Amino acid sequence: GAVVSQHPSWVICKSGTSVKIECRSLDFQATTMFWYRQFPKQSLMLMATSNEGSKATYEQGVEKDKFLINHASLTLSTLTVTSAHPEDSSFYICSAEGPYYNEQFFGPGTRLTVL
Amino acid sequence: AQSVTQPDIHITVSEGASLELRCNYSYGATPYLFWYVQSPGQGLQLLLKYFSGDTLVQGIKGFEAEFKRSQSSFNLRKPSVHWSDAAEYFCAVGGGLTGGGNKLTFGTGTQLKVEL
Repeated sequence: GAVVSQHPSWVICKSGTSVKIECRSLDFQATTMFWYRQFPKQSLMLMATSNEGSKATYEQGVEKDKFLINHASLTLSTLTVTSAHPEDSSFYICSAEGPYYNEQFFGPGTRLTVL
Repeated sequence: AQSVTQPDIHITVSEGASLELRCNYSYGATPYLFWYVQSPGQGLQLLLKYFSGDTLVQGIKGFEAEFKRSQSSFNLRKPSVHWSDAAEYFCAVGGGLTGGGNKLTFGTGTQLKVEL
């Protein structure tokens, strides 16, 4: 149980286009989902926390208008990278807070490459 | 503010040897502590966690960790390393709240290499 999926696992796009990444909790309801960004050989940096039916809470320094987060249901959160540029290329990982208090379950990640 | 330090960026051990990965945390109250493992291009898998109670925690794949409040440490250990353990290991501390969830702060990770 407690599986989180992400789609797509890998995406390449042209500079200036927008890309949407989906994060789904497959077998549990996730009231809170988290979005992280990971640069090569570096740690995970929390970008934002998303709660079902409400606005996401962004970490300091994260551009809200560039990284749009929508948490439309208890099993789905989406991250849209708008007007992507090469510096947005990164590994994006989502997690969902599961049925056990204070534990997050992580998705497999999405590799974004912006040309 | 909570923080995590993993002092060892890279560690190399021989297969069959014992392993200890260090983790020190900073947190104002009793922390929730986690160890995750990440294989190349993959998400994170939880190895073990500490919330309260017994300070020696057993996890998956033969790993264990010991919470030492006096040293603000949560070191990960394994008595005999297997070649498949080669990966990146992250220590994380939780307990803060942001937007309704439980915020995790990750260390910078330790890359484990296993020599055959």
